[in-house]
Amino acid sequence: AQRVTQPEKLLSVFKGAPVELKCNYSYSGSPELFWYVQYSRQRLQLLLRHISRESIKGFTADLNKGETSFHLKKPFAQEEDSAMYYCALLNTGGFKTIFGAGTRLFVKA
Amino acid sequence: DAGVTQSPTHLIKTRGQQVTLRCSPKSGHDTVSWYQQALGQGPQFIFQYYEEEERQRGNFPDRFSGHQFPNYSSELNVNALLLGDSALYLCASSLYDRENYGYTFGSGTRLTVV
Repeated sequence: AQRVTQPEKLLSVFKGAPVELKCNYSYSGSPELFWYVQYSRQRLQLLLRHISRESIKGFTADLNKGETSFHLKKPFAQEEDSAMYYCALLNTGGFKTIFGAGTRLFVKA
Repeated sequence: DAGVTQSPTHLIKTRGQQVTLRCSPKSGHDTVSWYQQALGQGPQFIFQYYEEEERQRGNFPDRFSGHQFPNYSSELNVNALLLGDSALYLCASSLYDRENYGYTFGSGTRLTVV
């Protein structure tokens, strides 16, 4: 079954510290993966997608097919990074995106 | 561009009633997906509409139905409401054959069933 697992419900780091939000997936074939973010009182929005290999707001994510992971990383966390982060997988046929349960990131001053 | 708009923002219904939620996709998008997000959980896929037809459906009972109109807007209908249907309902739009570009989400409709 296709599944996205985010093992941490809450991650708390100090400002300036590196941050890594974990995401593991279960999928047969070549996955298309995304990270979405929801800031306080804002709607869910796309942060980045692995296919574009871009860096958004200093965040990057590398697809590791061997470990079936797509962890989100940032070398120096900022207070404005505090938000809810969801990892998502586009399923076979491209009709359905499956979301993980989310990780709340809290960046302390 | 207003992006994806959903209405109403909040709704309170009684068990057994029926509800209709509405969504207008982002300008230029032609595909609408609906998600249910319970408290503390990630969004769960309900179904997706393209060209006024349901393209794929998640693990939701037939009480959940939808419709897409020629202008690409969409409705989600839930019949015989249960307490467990209380959740945030999210609408997401995308472009056909460009799902790998990701979704644009609305702000959601908060449904409370009492």
